[in-house]
Parts: sequence; C-alpha cells; structure tokens
Amino acid sequence: NFVLTQPHSVSESPGKTVTISCTRSSGAIGSNHVQWYQQRPGSAPTNVIYEDNQRPSGVPDRFSGSIDSSSNSASLTISGLKTEDEADYYCQSSSDTYNQRVFGGGTKLTVL
Amino acid sequence: QVQLQESGPGLVKPSEALSLTCIVSGGSVNTDSYYWSWVRQTPGKGLEWLGYIYYTGSTNYNRSLKSRVAMSIETSRNQVSLRLTSVTAADTGVYYCARDRGFGWYDKWGQGTLVTVSS
Repeated sequence: NFVLTQPHSVSESPGKTVTISCTRSSGAIGSNHVQWYQQRPGSAPTNVIYEDNQRPSGVPDRFSGSIDSSSNSASLTISGLKTEDEADYYCQSSSDTYNQRVFGGGTKLTVL
Repeated sequence: QVQLQESGPGLVKPSEALSLTCIVSGGSVNTDSYYWSWVRQTPGKGLEWLGYIYYTGSTNYNRSLKSRVAMSIETSRNQVSLRLTSVTAADTGVYYCARDRGFGWYDKWGQGTLVTVSS
C-alpha cells in the first residue's frame, strides 16, 4: 500500500488562507479520488471535500480541494480562516490493489 | 436523517476479542448504495481504516489486520458488527462506524466508542 504524508501542523491568522498538502508515496494521485475530513476535539470526523474537489452541502465555499500530478499530491485550501476552522484535517484515498482505504497522518490546524 | 450508533464493551482484556455493534437508524443497511465501514483512532494517532462490509455480506479488510478482523451484517436488525481478536494495548482507541459511499467517501459517522484493552 501507499502512504499519504501530511505536515504535522500548520498555523495561520484569522482571515488568511492556508493550504494543507497530502503527498502520495507511490501510484498516481489522480488514480483514485481524494477526500478530506475535519475533526474537532472530542468529535467524529466530518467530510469537507470528496472526489478531489467537491464540497458536501453545508460546507462553506471557503474550503476547496485540488490535486497536482506534478507533485503527486492533493491540497486542501481554506480561505478567510475562522477560529472555528481550528481542527485536525485528514486526507484519504484508496488503492487499486485490494481496494484498501488509506488515511494520511493528519494535520493540526491552529488559527491564532 | 441517517444516524449511526456504536455500542459494545468499553473494556477488553488482552488476548481476548473485541466486539462492537453499529445500529443504523433513519435508513437501511440493505442497500447497494453504501459500504458499511469501521475506522479507529488510537491514542495520539490518526485514523486507521479497519474494513467494510457490503449489504451482500461481502467484506474487504485492512490487510495489516486481516487475520484478526471480521465483520458481519444483520439486515433484519439494521446493524453491522465488528470483531477483532487477540487484542493488545495497541488496539486501545475510539472505534467509529461510518457509511462509505465508495472509494472512502464517508458521509455519515457514528459518534465513536472508546475501547480500552487492559487487564
């Protein structure tokens, strides 16, 4: 199986824009859809991006997703940061072999 | 509104089996639209996919756990279950039931249940 690598933590100020990367170790990033999950302390994860760049209903358009084949990575961008965006963020994708689901290690976003 | 609710013992002894149930309300597990999945989160660590079961009973498990994990589905009770054998302290964590719309797009999650492995 491949590994999805995320930065351990990122921080930014309210109102600014932050981008969280998710790099796939082997296999093309575009070969399987990437999802992103937000997890606040003490709560279950919630989906903020699916199919690389689609937002579920109810997720503000401040959240956007993209993939970059040249770096074999996916990115989650949050613009107009709010203190409520402070959470852990996980990327997720699947493998063609055995259809295994893989999560990234998570990134702690601090909005200060 | 579909809701998922996990239940089971909060404390399991080492070498024994962990058994959890996920009751689905507001929707049926007997549908070809979703895969019913289990994901866990161990202390200080991230999310780990354990596997999923389809309404037909077909399963797909995390290959790193394959020999210890088993899932089942009871359409009459609208629930899915997880069994993890030969547990150790490393299996301590919060276990989530989640609805997978395909390729790992989890659109519904249970609140999670904490399982501690200790004698």
